Amino acid sequence: GNSVTQMEGPVTLSEEAFLTINCTYTATGYPSLFWYVQYPGEGLQLLLKATKADDKGSNKGFEATYRKETTSFHLEKGSVQVSDSAVYFCALRETNAGKSTFGDGTTLTVKP
Amino acid sequence: ETGVTQTPRHLVMGMTNKKSLKCEQHLGHNAMYWYKQSAKKPLELMFVYSLEERVENNSVPSRFSPECPNSSHLFLHLHTLQPEDSALYLCASSQGDIQGYEQYFGPGTRLTVT
Repeated sequence: GNSVTQMEGPVTLSEEAFLTINCTYTATGYPSLFWYVQYPGEGLQLLLKATKADDKGSNKGFEATYRKETTSFHLEKGSVQVSDSAVYFCALRETNAGKSTFGDGTTLTVKP
Repeated sequence: ETGVTQTPRHLVMGMTNKKSLKCEQHLGHNAMYWYKQSAKKPLELMFVYSLEERVENNSVPSRFSPECPNSSHLFLHLHTLQPEDSALYLCASSQGDIQGYEQYFGPGTRLTVT
C-alpha cells in the first residue's frame, strides 16, 4: 500500500534559520503530493501542493518540489519565523479513489 | 475562516452516553471525511462520503456511526464509547474524491471519554 515517511521531530530552530523537513513516499500510481500545517488548537490547512513530477509548490515562503526519481517532496523555507511554529504533515493522494495518506507529522518550534 | 465548521469544539462524555458531532462545509464540495487524531499516532481516516454515498469505511468500530444527509452536512454519532476513543475528531471536505483536490479541514472536536 501507499505510505508517507516524514523526518522525525521535534525540530527546533532559531528565527531566520533555514528549514528542511524531509518527506519520502511510496505509491503504486502517480499521486498528488501535499504539505499541510496544523497550528495549535486548529485543524490542518493546506500549505502547498504539486500534482505531477517536477512541479514546485510554493506558499508563504515555503517550497517543495515533486521528485519522482527519488520519491521525495521535501519542504524548505529560507528564513523561518516564530509564527511558523506548528506541526507539518506531508500527504499524498492516489490517482484513483482519492484516498489520502498522511505522514506522522513533524513539530517545528522556532525560537526568537 | 476555513469554510468547514465543526460543533461542538469540546465534548466530555461518559461511556454510556450518546452524542453526535456535526460538520458543515460552505465550500460547495461534494466529498466529506472524518479523521481521528490521537496523540503520538498518525492521522486515521475513518469515513469518506462522496456525493452523499459512503465510499470508505476503515474498519471503524460500530460505536461510531456516520451520517451524511446532504453534501453540506456530515455527522458522527457516538454511543458506548471507550476511554481510548478520546481524541481530536477532524472533519474535512474536498471538491472531489480524486487525486488532484486538496482537503479543507475544520478545527476539530476535542472528545474526552470518561
